[in-house]
Amino acid sequence: QLVLTQSPSASASLGASVNLTCTLGSWHSSYAIAWHQQQPDQGPRYLMKVNSDGSHIKGAGIPDRFSGSSSGTERYLTISSLQPEDEADYYCQTWGTGKWVFGGGTKLTVL
Amino acid sequence: EVQVLESGGGLVQPGGSLRLSCAASGFTFTNYAMNWVRQAPGKGLEWVSSINGNGGSTYYADSVKGRFTISRDNSKNTLFLQMNSLRGEDTAVYYCAKDGGQSGTYFDYWGQGTLVTVSS
Repeated sequence: QLVLTQSPSASASLGASVNLTCTLGSWHSSYAIAWHQQQPDQGPRYLMKVNSDGSHIKGAGIPDRFSGSSSGTERYLTISSLQPEDEADYYCQTWGTGKWVFGGGTKLTVL
Repeated sequence: EVQVLESGGGLVQPGGSLRLSCAASGFTFTNYAMNWVRQAPGKGLEWVSSINGNGGSTYYADSVKGRFTISRDNSKNTLFLQMNSLRGEDTAVYYCAKDGGQSGTYFDYWGQGTLVTVSS
């Protein structure tokens, strides 16, 4: 079963860095995922696709402060030099044959 | 500039029907799969349905299978979602999302959403 697991919440200080984690099921370690950001009262925005080898493809206009990486069944989103506008919900997404799945989302608070 | 713009949301009674539209621009529409994703109030994102570039393959979440129909008009760069037998649990903001490929992968552009409220 294609499943993505995210921690419900995370927090970090203004100007600091934070790592958000998205965990695939144990049978899906080769799967790529995508990260999406949803700021309050906005539609989601695509940030990047992260492959199993850690390579990533960013969306248009996504700042260099955002990066992605992988290890086993875990996919990471790292945000450095946190800004107030980074306070948002972050969702990971993956896909299989005829099925698309989202993680439950992580609410990031910038302190 | 890639844009997708949803329309057609509104208030509908349980058991009723509604048709959502998504107007796309800024890319070669027929070359990409398209998707519908919804978000119930205060909840996370839920994939609803996908269609490939030529419209020949469609996919549905179990929660909407048999009630919703996705389609596209490639001559008008428009995606549709016909929603029948609507239930209270279908109340959500519905987003149209462009796919990163022709056959369905990740979603690389999103609309602002259209609100569907199912209530008597």
